[in-house]
Amino acid sequence: AQTVTQSQPEMSVQEAETVTLSCTYDTSESDYYLFWYKQPPSRQMILVIRQEAYKQQNATENRFSVNFQKAAKSFSLKISDSQLGDAAMYFCACEGIDSWGKLQFGAGTQVVVTP
Amino acid sequence: DVKVTQSSRYLVKRTGEKVFLECVQDMDHENMFWYRQDPGLGLRLIYFSYDVKMKEKGDIPEGYSVSREKKERFSLILESASTNQTSMYLCASSTPGLPTPLRRQYFGPGTRLTVT
Repeated sequence: AQTVTQSQPEMSVQEAETVTLSCTYDTSESDYYLFWYKQPPSRQMILVIRQEAYKQQNATENRFSVNFQKAAKSFSLKISDSQLGDAAMYFCACEGIDSWGKLQFGAGTQVVVTP
Repeated sequence: DVKVTQSSRYLVKRTGEKVFLECVQDMDHENMFWYRQDPGLGLRLIYFSYDVKMKEKGDIPEGYSVSREKKERFSLILESASTNQTSMYLCASSTPGLPTPLRRQYFGPGTRLTVT
């Protein structure tokens, strides 16, 4: 079983600046995957970035990068050079290797981007 | 592109009605999921299915049932809708066991259900 905690209900960032969203998790599984999904006002869930726990190297996707600290069970998302289109709800999620593909989600962090 | 569709974007039902939410995916995915999304709680898993006619309870199955008669279709059923089932419902699908670069769930656009 997994639990995922996002302690920041809302984060505000100015255009072109950087914002970091925090996520901590707990799992009893030996291997697992971590994800960040974005949900804009359209409600369509969009995969932002994913990481397998056994890989030490932090994943990056263009302006999005993660800081994965396995011992601390932390998986933060950094958005660089923020754009107005980054405004959305961001969810952290964990999938255990033996969990049939089920995702455990955090409560979400609303990102507000100001011009 | 993978497409997951849900039968309605918005739905209004009365207390006690039987409600069907339909989800269809076009990528031959084995796994399908129903989540409920509420503010401050994120997405919570109601039920999932890993094959036709196979289903497993998620974290909050009470008051819900599901049906998967065909691989591409996964239905969520509220036998007798109640006001506390007013929520956003999201369907998702995936293929199990893929390597990391391909591993993800594909989501439908969501159904906002209001029970009055």
